[in-house]
Amino acid sequence: KAGVTQTPRYLIKTRGQQVTLSCSPISGHRSVSWYQQTPGQGLQFLFEYFSETQRNKGNFPGRFSGRQFSNSRSEMNVSTLELGDSALYLCASSLVGTPGGGTDTQYFGPGTRLTVL
Amino acid sequence: GEDVEQSLFLSVREGDSSVINCTYTDSSSTYLYWYKQEPGAGLQLLTYIFSNMDMKQDQRLTVLLNKKDKHLSLRIADTQTGDSAIYFCAESSDYKLSFGAGTTVTVRA
Repeated sequence: KAGVTQTPRYLIKTRGQQVTLSCSPISGHRSVSWYQQTPGQGLQFLFEYFSETQRNKGNFPGRFSGRQFSNSRSEMNVSTLELGDSALYLCASSLVGTPGGGTDTQYFGPGTRLTVL
Repeated sequence: GEDVEQSLFLSVREGDSSVINCTYTDSSSTYLYWYKQEPGAGLQLLTYIFSNMDMKQDQRLTVLLNKKDKHLSLRIADTQTGDSAIYFCAESSDYKLSFGAGTTVTVRA
């Protein structure tokens, strides 16, 4: 079974631009989560979607948004890019996503490396 | 809120055991996880433990949980060069994982 795929793998943008990242979950998985990884802040939760509905959102400005499609694929968008948005963006999928985790574990993709110049 | 803490670095000789420690604060967490990240890669789930367990063993990996002290550890037996990576502990609540800063494990010959 194919794993979580993310496109593109690498992206270079300039300040003020916007960017859209894509995530395809493991077949049959309906919950998709997004995380930002930076050297300074570590891994931080952005948002989680299930059946096209956002169930939880992390503490990020409104410039960060996401959505999920009926086939469970998800996109996240960052508008008006800032230098500090340079990071590895990781997507994870799980079957249904349970509030406390558990055996319905999250499987991560390889990430999209975003560089903002 | 959640706050997960780990030591940042660990150096171990090949063949020895590695022990990575983690403390967490959210006592409502029912599951705790260990993930591994190799350079340029995403996160790989290594193992997890249910909060009513004290220990879980999976081949070379042993997880110990002290719920009273909110302390979690991961022991890797017979550490190999392929074990060099960053290891993250994480707790789960509200559909999200909260991660520690990660422990960089370096295996020396």
